[in-house]
Amino acid sequence: GAVVSQHPSWVICKSGTSVKIECRSLDFQATTMFWYRQFPKQSLMLMATSNEGSKATYEQGVEKDKFLINHASLTLSTLTVTSAHPEDSSFYICSARIRQISYEQYFGPGTRLTVT
Amino acid sequence: AQKVTQAQTEISVVEKEDVTLDCVYETRDTTYYLFWYKQPPSGELVFLIRRNSFDEQNEISGRYSWNFQKSTSSFNFTITASQVVDSAVYFCALSENPGTYKYIFGTGTRLKVLA
Repeated sequence: GAVVSQHPSWVICKSGTSVKIECRSLDFQATTMFWYRQFPKQSLMLMATSNEGSKATYEQGVEKDKFLINHASLTLSTLTVTSAHPEDSSFYICSARIRQISYEQYFGPGTRLTVT
Repeated sequence: AQKVTQAQTEISVVEKEDVTLDCVYETRDTTYYLFWYKQPPSGELVFLIRRNSFDEQNEISGRYSWNFQKSTSSFNFTITASQVVDSAVYFCALSENPGTYKYIFGTGTRLKVLA
């Protein structure tokens, strides 16, 4: 149990376009989902925390207008990178927290975004 | 402020050697959780262990063992008789509960096991 999926697993887009990444909890309801970004050979950096039905909370330095997060249901959160630029190329990982178990996050397999 | 330090950026060992990955954390809370994850080249994080702040018992799982010492704020990870398949980046993480439930990740240690 506690499986989190991400779609797509990799995406290449042109500079200036927008790309949407989906994060789904497949067999549980996720009260909270988290979005991380990981640059090559670096650690995971939390971008934002999203709670179902409310606005996402962004970490300091993350542009909320550029990284749009929607948590429309207890099993789906989406991250849209708007007007993507090459510097947005990164590995994006989502995680989900089970409603009843507060301390644990279950991670998706990640989405590799390349902006050309 | 909460912080996780993994001072070892990269470690190389020869197969069958034992290796210990260090993790030192900082937190003001009395209730917190510590985790270790493995990230192979595919990128997907693999959960290894969770430990809460009230449980200082060491744990062994096959070739893996963990040493949690609150007195030194450390949660070290040892791989015994390392194998090439252990080559990966290993992350230590801290989560506070109750709270924002955020994870604070260390910078990771890249382990290379040479045949």
